[in-house]
Amino acid sequence: KAGVTQTPRYLIKTRGQQVTLSCSPISGHRSVSWYQQTPGQGLQFLFEYFSETQRNKGNFPGRFSGRQFSNSRSEMNVSTLELGDSALYLCASSSRLDRETQYFGPGTRLLVL
Amino acid sequence: EDQVTQSPEALRLQEGESSSLNCSYTVSGLRGLFWYRQDPGKGPEFLFTLYSAGEEKEKERLKATLTKKESFLHITAPKPEDSATYLCAVQLNDYKLSFGAGTTVTVRA
Repeated sequence: KAGVTQTPRYLIKTRGQQVTLSCSPISGHRSVSWYQQTPGQGLQFLFEYFSETQRNKGNFPGRFSGRQFSNSRSEMNVSTLELGDSALYLCASSSRLDRETQYFGPGTRLLVL
Repeated sequence: EDQVTQSPEALRLQEGESSSLNCSYTVSGLRGLFWYRQDPGKGPEFLFTLYSAGEEKEKERLKATLTKKESFLHITAPKPEDSATYLCAVQLNDYKLSFGAGTTVTVRA
C-alpha cells in the first residue's frame, strides 16, 4: 500500500507571497492532519480534516488554512508568508475515528526568504 | 496546561550499550501514547501505540512501556542504524497529537 505523499518536497518563497501544499493520504484513510516542524518549536499541530470537514485547529494565525476534497486529498495554504514560516510541513493520515494511528508523509520543506 | 517532556535531549551510545528514553506527560484525557522515529529530513515513522498503564510493546531492539505519568523507550544492544530522533506524542480527547521535543540518539560503531 502506498504511503502518504506530499508535494512539492521543497519550496522557496519570498516574504509576502502565498503557498499551497498538497497531501495525498494512504488509500482508504479519511482523516488528514497537518503539522509544522521547526528546530525551536518542534512539531506543532495545525489542523485536522475528516470527510471534508475541519475537526480541529491548532493555535496558528488565520494566514494558515486548509481544505480537504471528496477523495480525501488535502491542501494547506499559507498567505502573506513571513520568515518565521520557514519549516518542514508534515501531513499525516489515519483511518479510524478513535485511537487512530497517524502515518506521516515525507514533508514539504518551505524556505521563506 | 497539557505538557509532554522528553529526556534526555540527546543520547550518545556505543554499539551494544543499552539505554532508555523517557517521556513524561501531564495531560487531561489521554487517549493513547505514540512513539515515532524520525531520520533527518524525513517524516516521523510510526513505532508503537500504548493505551493503558502497564502495557508494553516490542519491536526488534525497541521496547516501549507505559505508566500513568510516563513512558519509556528501551533500546537493547543498539546498532548504528538505530541512530535517529525518537518522538513521543500523546493523543488527547480531541484526537490531536501533542508531541515532545524528541531525543536524538547517536549510536557509534
